[in-house]
Amino acid sequence: NAGVTQTPKFQVLKTGQSMTLQCAQDMNHNSMYWYRQDPGMGLRLIYYSASEGTTDKGEVPNGYNVSRLNKREFSLRLESAAPSQTSVYFCASSEEDPRRFSTSNQPQHFGDGTRLSIL
Amino acid sequence: EDQVTQSPEALRLQEGESSSLNCSYTVSGLRGLFWYRQDPGKGPEFLFTLYSAGEEKEKERLKATLTKKESFLHITAPKPEDSATYLCAVQASGNQFYFGTGTSLTVIP
Repeated sequence: NAGVTQTPKFQVLKTGQSMTLQCAQDMNHNSMYWYRQDPGMGLRLIYYSASEGTTDKGEVPNGYNVSRLNKREFSLRLESAAPSQTSVYFCASSEEDPRRFSTSNQPQHFGDGTRLSIL
Repeated sequence: EDQVTQSPEALRLQEGESSSLNCSYTVSGLRGLFWYRQDPGKGPEFLFTLYSAGEEKEKERLKATLTKKESFLHITAPKPEDSATYLCAVQASGNQFYFGTGTSLTVIP
């Protein structure tokens, strides 16, 4: 019963390096999300994918790209890492299907995060 | 501007001492309000969904309530294992989620 799995759990990068954070869910959920969590800021939405084949910007998308590889997987890429991107990154998924109002108000289920430090 | 504010930032309780956490919100078109529990080094764990004013949900020692402007998470006779950060989130009409910064709860034996 894995739920939402994120890899890696920890990563240290140098400024300017690139990397991809991986996320996979086994709950057959339609929607997937990437957040960052910083002290005193709460969780902030970076990008989300309401359904397979679609992605949309959230509150803080600059410096990031995403790919919804299939229904299970949603990756987050940092093309040129900056110290300001040091954070804990969480992936989440939900049953929410924007085409069906009956699936409104579905909670998000989170992975355990990737702790990313950029020097 | 859509906003979610939680108070207090931190709360220390003696075991058995009941209290409440507050989540106030200003969003356009509330679609749902969610409570999560987050343990150190872990992702948020879903607790409750509330949708309409007057709604209440209960789970063990926790009870969540909702009004048009705020939600409360009542903790009755807490135990040390209830120590965690409690997060509130709202889903607005634009389909995005907004999280508060959380209340860090410590329950002392």
